[in-house]
Amino acid sequence: GAVVSQHPSRVICKSGTSVKIECRSLDFQATTMFWYRQFPKKSLMLMATSNEGSKATYEQGVEKDKFLINHASLTLSTLTVTSAHPEDSSFYICSSGTGENRETQYFGPGTRLLVL
Amino acid sequence: GQNIDQPTEMTATEGAIVQINCTYQTSGFNGLFWYQQHAGEAPTFLSYNVLDGLEEKGRFSSFLSRSKGYSYLLLKELQMKDSASYLCAVMDSNYQLIWGAGTKLIIKP
Repeated sequence: GAVVSQHPSRVICKSGTSVKIECRSLDFQATTMFWYRQFPKKSLMLMATSNEGSKATYEQGVEKDKFLINHASLTLSTLTVTSAHPEDSSFYICSSGTGENRETQYFGPGTRLLVL
Repeated sequence: GQNIDQPTEMTATEGAIVQINCTYQTSGFNGLFWYQQHAGEAPTFLSYNVLDGLEEKGRFSSFLSRSKGYSYLLLKELQMKDSASYLCAVMDSNYQLIWGAGTKLIIKP
């Protein structure tokens, strides 16, 4: 299957700092990437849909000024958590589809963020 | 509203067979997915059903009935490494994935 990488895999930061998470599609061109967050023992929650060359589409309740998404190329999308707070601590996962109808999303390995 | 239901937790014995059910109510349907997620890891794709019937892939099979809004994931010859959460997700008319909460499968020797 398609390969999606994510960096960093784990990050610990102080409250008030900003953290950037990178999501790369390694062997295909991803016009659309999805950003999820997952709390312990909970299902995935879609945060936003990232489209190459245009603004991301955010889900209701997700602050676009806090979670900045940039999809500058067909292989890279970034999520920046600005002014992080302890409640932002979570597992952040990106994914990208390769099918014509966006079927079969392939997930990155995830980034575990801990804000102290 | 949109809703995906699956059992919270199931227990099965190594070498046995287990069936994980998923029922859904969504606005439109563009396919149903099953993902496996080990603790602390991202989900990995298992299967995709868009037509009614059974899709078999090795030890794993997935069934879909669109008229009943129902799917199941069947795991045969269970191995200890199959202990994981299994997520059911439906792609709605806007091609957005609606996720179930996941079924934690515990395999006992």
